[in-house]
Amino acid sequence: AQSVTQLGSHVSVSEGALVLLRCNYSSSVPPYLFWYVQYPNQGLQLLLKYTSAATLVKGINGFEAEFKKSETSFHLTKPSAHMSDAAEYFCALNYGGSQGNLIFGKGTKLSVKP
Amino acid sequence: GAGVSQSPSNKVTEKGKDVELRCDPISGHTALYWYRQSLGQGLEFLIYFQGNSAPDKSGLPSDRFSAERTGGSVSTLTIQRTQQEDSAVYLCASSFDMRSDRRVFGSGTRLTVV
Repeated sequence: AQSVTQLGSHVSVSEGALVLLRCNYSSSVPPYLFWYVQYPNQGLQLLLKYTSAATLVKGINGFEAEFKKSETSFHLTKPSAHMSDAAEYFCALNYGGSQGNLIFGKGTKLSVKP
Repeated sequence: GAGVSQSPSNKVTEKGKDVELRCDPISGHTALYWYRQSLGQGLEFLIYFQGNSAPDKSGLPSDRFSAERTGGSVSTLTIQRTQQEDSAVYLCASSFDMRSDRRVFGSGTRLTVV
């Protein structure tokens, strides 16, 4: 069965500090992996995606994620947090190639302290 | 329109009443998806429509939930005899095709059943 686990429902960092949001997946076939961000009262926006090309993928707003097959992980990082990064972040998996459904993690709410 | 539009943005209803949630996808998008976002539960897939094909209803939680898409454009999600556990944010997304990285999400309808 395919699943996505996000470790930590809440993460708090200081402005300028490293952001690390953890995502582990389980999939019997090579997955496509995604990170989405949701700002308050808004829909989800795609941050970045892994689709079996480069294992280190760069997204919008300075975020990047590295696909590590040996660790079944796809953690999201940003070197220096901004106040505007405060939002909820969702890791998602699509195991059906380009077709099929996205399986989402439960989300991690990121708070950024001044 | 420029984005996926959902209405109403907020809905409070009494237990046992029926509700209809509307999604207006981006013009030209053939695929349309409904998700439910419950507190602490992430996003749960409900149903998707692809062109004129029969919808994939595999995610609907009970027979009280139904959805239709008229003319390949606007979709309505109907919940009959609402229960308190139906309280959630209902998100709609659309895409030009089935590729996951092209889905555009609306800002959702927050449903509260009292």
